Amino acid sequence: GDSVTQMEGPVTLSEEAFLTINCTYTATGYPSLFWYVQYPGEGLQLLLKATKADDKGSNKGFEATYRKETTSFHLEKGSVQVSDSAVYFCALSVDYGGSQGNLIFGKGTKLSVKP
Amino acid sequence: GAVVSQHPSWVICKSGTSVKIECRSLDFQATTMFWYRQFPKQSLMLMATSNEGSKATYEQGVEKDKFLINHASLTLSTLTVTSAHPEDSSFYICSASSALSLYRREQYFGPGTRLTVT
Repeated sequence: GDSVTQMEGPVTLSEEAFLTINCTYTATGYPSLFWYVQYPGEGLQLLLKATKADDKGSNKGFEATYRKETTSFHLEKGSVQVSDSAVYFCALSVDYGGSQGNLIFGKGTKLSVKP
Repeated sequence: GAVVSQHPSWVICKSGTSVKIECRSLDFQATTMFWYRQFPKQSLMLMATSNEGSKATYEQGVEKDKFLINHASLTLSTLTVTSAHPEDSSFYICSASSALSLYRREQYFGPGTRLTVT
């Protein structure tokens, strides 16, 4: 079945460090890929997405490229800030007949950024 | 825009009692609402999908008689955990999406409800 595997945390970085959170997936169809972020005490928010191979999603300095050949969607940011401390979830959905399928989530990676 | 709220944010109940969790879309009409369960250090697991005015579709392994879902309007869905037991203690999260306009392909998430059954 469809699944998402992301690196386990927690990840602790110093401010301005480079961030990579790995995410790989398996899917029977043609998935759309997402990164969600959950700040403390808040709901999940869509951070970025990509709907087809080689698409790059980007938002707030974060980027992820949909790599079909490696079935990956790694999240990167060149210089993290304390305010980026949160839990990050990789997710996929497989569309069927034009309707969005259910979201399948990875386990989440907790990021802590120290000043 | 696209704000989803949940109430309560946390609840403690005694074993054997029932508890209701509300999920509201505050500024859009949610044609579909989803209920997830999240265990500590685990992923979100979809429990059920509900379309306004229809019966919910439950995922395999989720007891529909224990987790009652109602989606009576385009802005409100409720999850009732009946005869709760300590193993039902978890973090319950709802999300909402709309097929009516630009929110068509995206789910907007509520902040979650922490349920503790003693």
